Amino acid sequence: AQRVTQPEKLLSVFKGAPVELKCNYSYSGSPELFWYVQYSRQRLQLLLRHISRESIKGFTADLNKGETSFHLKKPFAQEEDSAMYYCALTRPGSARQLTFGSGTQLTVLP
Amino acid sequence: EPEVTQTPSHQVTQMGQEVILRCVPISNHLYFYWYRQILGQKVEFLVSFYNNEISEKSEIFDDQFSVERPDGSNFTLKIRSTKLEDSAMYFCASKGRQNTEAFFGQGTRLTVV
Repeated sequence: AQRVTQPEKLLSVFKGAPVELKCNYSYSGSPELFWYVQYSRQRLQLLLRHISRESIKGFTADLNKGETSFHLKKPFAQEEDSAMYYCALTRPGSARQLTFGSGTQLTVLP
Repeated sequence: EPEVTQTPSHQVTQMGQEVILRCVPISNHLYFYWYRQILGQKVEFLVSFYNNEISEKSEIFDDQFSVERPDGSNFTLKIRSTKLEDSAMYFCASKGRQNTEAFFGQGTRLTVV
């Protein structure tokens, strides 16, 4: 069965500092990996997905199949980045439902 | 911008009662999902629905749960006889094609007392 692990429940950084939110996954095939974000009192929304290789709001994430990781990084954190971040995967085919990690609450301090 | 809409935002019900959580997915979307998040825990998949039938369901989705798309716009989750442990935030999601982004509703907080 697939699993997503986010080892940090809480992460605080100062504005302007680099930030890395860790995500590891276990799945025997080739999953698709995502980062979702939930700002305070808002709905879950897609931040980025590994197949698009985009940078959204300054965030990037590289899929490392050897380490089965998909860490989210931003070189200079902003206060508006404070939110809950969820790493998730889908497996190919099927209904492609998401398997989520437990989430990391990022707080960017002024 | 189109959104997935869920009603109500908060539902309080007595143990043993039936509840129906409602979702209006984005028009023209084909895949529909229910997820739940118990307080302090991760978001968990419940069920997916495509082509007017359940395509996959998790172990959580037992006989107490059912889903329907009664009129081509609403997508409902029914819990027949609620238990205390059903208290959670329930999220509906939809997407247009299989490998596209899933859009989430704002959630319904269900409290079973």
